[in-house]
Amino acid sequence: QKEVEQNSGPLSVPEGAIASLNCTYSDRVSQSFFWYRQYSGKSPELIMSIYSNGDKEDGRFTAQLNKASQYVSLLIRDSQPSDSATYLCAVNRNTNAGKSTFGDGTTLTVKP
Amino acid sequence: DVKVTQSSRYLVKRTGEKVFLECVQDMDHENMFWYRQDPGLGLRLIYFSYDVKMKEKGDIPEGYSVSREKKERFSLILESASTNQTSMYLCASSRNRELNSPLHFGNGTRLTVT
Repeated sequence: QKEVEQNSGPLSVPEGAIASLNCTYSDRVSQSFFWYRQYSGKSPELIMSIYSNGDKEDGRFTAQLNKASQYVSLLIRDSQPSDSATYLCAVNRNTNAGKSTFGDGTTLTVKP
Repeated sequence: DVKVTQSSRYLVKRTGEKVFLECVQDMDHENMFWYRQDPGLGLRLIYFSYDVKMKEKGDIPEGYSVSREKKERFSLILESASTNQTSMYLCASSRNRELNSPLHFGNGTRLTVT
């Protein structure tokens, strides 16, 4: 089993819809969680981080964390074509903090 | 804004050559990392460093070594390049070992070994 698993994708949504990206992790001592966006041919950039159970909102983005279920998700409201990218989930354990393990990514396409 | 600079965007080397990939960050970050990214395999950690002259193996260190002589610079070395090391190499840095310390990536080096 991979340490971090994401929806295999690709995911396609119409413009204006909500895109839902999911991530599960296997190590219960994981403590911090990050979502990175990677445009084709570019490097990943951080869009959200979350450390506590519950929801965290930033503009059109909401990260949701459920440590009991070992599940973290990213919702993108009012999806735009510019949101089309690969979204990477990354997890840090409290041991060896600072070292991230990544999922394989989910590719999102937002169709106009 | 944090800037992580990788010395080359594209690199073509021959099998058996010694290859150096250089990475410099300008924000006094303690941690530096080298990842490679391949289609279907995601981002995989090669080596990382929490301090000058310190290094730790990641998940796929075989065939690679690293050097961190100065805090801002982290070099990845392919001692004898092989075709299976053709990949996108991403350098990253993070502030420290606290949990809320995300990665800042460089633009990547696409290495082709022929």
